[in-house]
Amino acid sequence: DQQVKQNSPSLSVQEGRISILNCDYTNSMFDYFLWYKKYPAEGPTFLISISSIKDKNEDGRFTVFLNKSAKHLSLHIVPSQPGDSAVYFCAASPDRGSTLGRLYFGRGTQLTVWP
Amino acid sequence: DTAVSQTPKYLVTQMGNDKSIKCEQNLGHDTMYWYKQDSKKFLKIMFSYNNKELIINETVPNRFSPKSPDKAHLNLHINSLELGDSAVYFCASSTRPGDEQFFGPGTRLTVL
Repeated sequence: DQQVKQNSPSLSVQEGRISILNCDYTNSMFDYFLWYKKYPAEGPTFLISISSIKDKNEDGRFTVFLNKSAKHLSLHIVPSQPGDSAVYFCAASPDRGSTLGRLYFGRGTQLTVWP
Repeated sequence: DTAVSQTPKYLVTQMGNDKSIKCEQNLGHDTMYWYKQDSKKFLKIMFSYNNKELIINETVPNRFSPKSPDKAHLNLHINSLELGDSAVYFCASSTRPGDEQFFGPGTRLTVL
């Protein structure tokens, strides 16, 4: 029972263009969302997050958009660079500010940025 | 300096054996986690400790036993290993539950 879904296993984008990675969730209790980036043979690295009280959060080239009514979030990378090539995991938590801190992950999307 | 480290990086063993994976963080975090990434690439939380106390146990078989000797360490001991235990196991830590988590490099466990 996957509560966080990334339906695109892969995405290929030309350098300089925008990369848009999508994520859907089913649990309406989720109130905190994160994106992680993972290179081969390394652990996931935190990239950017958004609280459910916001609909947009921006950090440099990375912007996350949240549409609560659609239970959908997306990560935009502009401009895309070859070093962005990695697996991107969407994660969600119902426990922000609680004593638990569970994170539920999607299956990941492999982003390839080509020159 | 490695923030979250795991040993070993690779572990190959026979069915029925008992093995341990160690995790250490030097970030001064209070909360540590174990995740399992299976062959389908799903990352699933197994356990979480906060200040050395177990706070999350996500329906993991009792062959898996986490141990936190102090806030900087969370080890995972697995008894009677089975083929289905083959996976990559990630350790993570956060300042407190619910905050951004920092992951270790993973331990690839292969059970033959």
